[in-house]
Amino acid sequence: GAVVSQHPSRVICKSGTSVKIECRSLDFQATTMFWYRQFPKKSLMLMATSNEGSKATYEQGVEKDKFLINHASLTLSTLTVTSAHPEDSSFYICSARVGLEETQYFGPGTRLLVL
Amino acid sequence: RKEVEQDPGPFNVPEGATVAFNCTYSNSASQSFFWYRQDCRKEPKLLMSVYSSGNEDGRFTAQLNRASQYISLLIRDSKLSDSATYLCVVNRGGGSYIPTFGRGTSLIVHP
Repeated sequence: GAVVSQHPSRVICKSGTSVKIECRSLDFQATTMFWYRQFPKKSLMLMATSNEGSKATYEQGVEKDKFLINHASLTLSTLTVTSAHPEDSSFYICSARVGLEETQYFGPGTRLLVL
Repeated sequence: RKEVEQDPGPFNVPEGATVAFNCTYSNSASQSFFWYRQDCRKEPKLLMSVYSSGNEDGRFTAQLNRASQYISLLIRDSKLSDSATYLCVVNRGGGSYIPTFGRGTSLIVHP
């Protein structure tokens, strides 16, 4: 089956630093990757949709200058949380999809804790 | 009205029980529907896609009712290992194909 990896799986950082999270599709080329955030006991919230070679499309209320997304290749997308603050602490999950109506496959997620 | 709505539960059932979840969606143009399962502190994993004709995979049956804009998931002969949160996912229609998640329904299967 399709495998998506995320790195790092867990990160603790000081307030004000930037954190980069990588999402890779290991055995397929993903035309689209999605970035989600999930707070404890809450549903997944889509942050942005990323297509290779083009700018990400952000959901309403998500600051594009704070959450920088780069999708340089069909197998790699990165999310950078700039100047992280404690309220950015969350579970960040990426997913990758081959075609428009295809299922999406999720990475294992990254737990971010900002002190 | 939310784009995708699910009863959060929890549904607390004994082993061997049959349990059904519903999920309603607001966008009549939606074309793709899925059920995912998410265990605590883990990523969602695809359980099954939902087709117009309905589909079955072992103890799991998914149905789509376009007229009433809902999808359902039926789990027969519940196992302890079925305890999880079940997420309904609907791709927005109109050429968007952006997935929208329901908040999930929590299932607890007890001995």
